[in-house]
Amino acid sequence: AQSVSQHNHHVILSEAASLELGCNYSYGGTVNLFWYVQYPGQHLQLLLKYFSGDPLVKGIKGFEAEFIKSKFSFNLRKPSVQWSDTAEYFCAVNEGSARQLTFGSGTQLTVLP
Amino acid sequence: EADIYQTPRYLVIGTGKKITLECSQTMGHDKMYWYQQDPGMELHLIHYSYGVNSTEKGDLSSESTVSRIRTEHFPLTLESARPSHTSQYLCASSVERSGANVLTFGAGSRLTVL
Repeated sequence: AQSVSQHNHHVILSEAASLELGCNYSYGGTVNLFWYVQYPGQHLQLLLKYFSGDPLVKGIKGFEAEFIKSKFSFNLRKPSVQWSDTAEYFCAVNEGSARQLTFGSGTQLTVLP
Repeated sequence: EADIYQTPRYLVIGTGKKITLECSQTMGHDKMYWYQQDPGMELHLIHYSYGVNSTEKGDLSSESTVSRIRTEHFPLTLESARPSHTSQYLCASSVERSGANVLTFGAGSRLTVL
C-alpha cells in the first residue's frame, strides 16, 4: 500500500520567511498529488494539485509545489509567509488507477507576526 | 451555493449510545467518503461510496456503518459508541477531473464518547 510522509510535524516561522514543507510518497507509478490546507476552525481546502504536465504547479495564496518524480517528492513552497498562513497542511496522493486519496499526517505551520 | 454539510459539528455522548453523523452535499457528486482524523495523525479513509446503493470499507477498519440511499446523503452510524470512537469524522465528496478525484470536505463532526 502506498504511504505519504510529511517529515515536519510543526514548523514555526516569522512573517516574510520562506517556507518549504516536505512531502514524499511511496508509489512508483503514475500519481496525482495534492496539498490541502486547514485554517483554524475551517474546512480542509484544496491548495493546489498536480495531475500531469509542468511539474511546478501554482496554487492559491502564492503557494507552489514541485513534483520531482526521481525523488518521489512534492514539496510545498512559499517565498514569503504571512501570519494568515498559519494552518495545518496535508499532502495527499492517489495512484493513477485508484480513486481514494492517501493523506500524510499533516504539518502544523505557525507564523509569528 | 453548492457545498457539503455535516451535522452535528460537536457531539458528546455516553458509552453504548447509538449515533448517526449526517453528511449532505449539494454538488451532485457521485463519490462520497468518510475520513477519520486524530490530532497529529493522517486522515484515514473508513468508508466510501461511488453512487447510490454502493458502499465500501476503507483502509482503516471501523465499527461504523454507512448507507447511500440518495446521491446527496451519506450518513455514518455507530450502533454502540465507545470511548475508542472519540475522534473527528470528516465527510467529503468528489468530482473526477483529468482522471483524478478532487475532494471537497465538510467541516467535520467531532465526537467525544465518555
